[in-house]
Amino acid sequence: LAKTTQPISMDSYEGQEVNITCSHNNIATNDYITWYQQFPSQGPRFIIQGYKTKVTNEVASLFIPADRKSSTLSLPRVSLSDTAVYYCLVGDPDNYGQNFVFGPGTRLSVLP
Amino acid sequence: GAVVSQHPSRVICKSGTSVKIECRSLDFQATTMFWYRQFPKQSLMLMATSNEGSKATYEQGVEKDKFLINHASLTLSTLTVTSAHPEDSSFYICSARALSDRDANEKLFFGSGTQLSVL
Repeated sequence: LAKTTQPISMDSYEGQEVNITCSHNNIATNDYITWYQQFPSQGPRFIIQGYKTKVTNEVASLFIPADRKSSTLSLPRVSLSDTAVYYCLVGDPDNYGQNFVFGPGTRLSVLP
Repeated sequence: GAVVSQHPSRVICKSGTSVKIECRSLDFQATTMFWYRQFPKQSLMLMATSNEGSKATYEQGVEKDKFLINHASLTLSTLTVTSAHPEDSSFYICSARALSDRDANEKLFFGSGTQLSVL
């Protein structure tokens, strides 16, 4: 199982761009990188997923270098409602769930 | 995106009673569902993998007689906490893996969680 390492916590201010980096040194060839967001007393919510280079959707961007040993989730212009825990997970989509190990995640606090 | 419905969202029970939590995939079929528990300020811990029509696979340290899992159909899995005690109080979350690649990227969908409080 590819283990991931993220900062435990981050603080930001409203309107700023936030970048959260995740290390996954032993990522396997078939593994994708997926980021989830979790608010208190709610289940995780899918944010973005990628395999290599850059992926962008309406809420975030995901940057993955060529060696794929790390990835960076970028949240543009955060608001107070982006305060949450963000999890980086690595796994083979065909086996999603069994090989998803949730680390402690990154607790993002957005301040006014 | 796909929807996974989890009920109840909150339950309070007396010690010694059993509690059943349901997890339903509303608009897709899920041969595999997963159950997690999460303590305050901690991450999700996988408890068991539930496969439709077969016995669940439990993670090390999870008592299968304590946490009964049934996955009788492609859209429903249930977790029953038997003879609940205060130490079982936790946030329980289910997830379901889509049978087909219904969304371009997302294959694993989570329920909204169940807060169990055992008095």
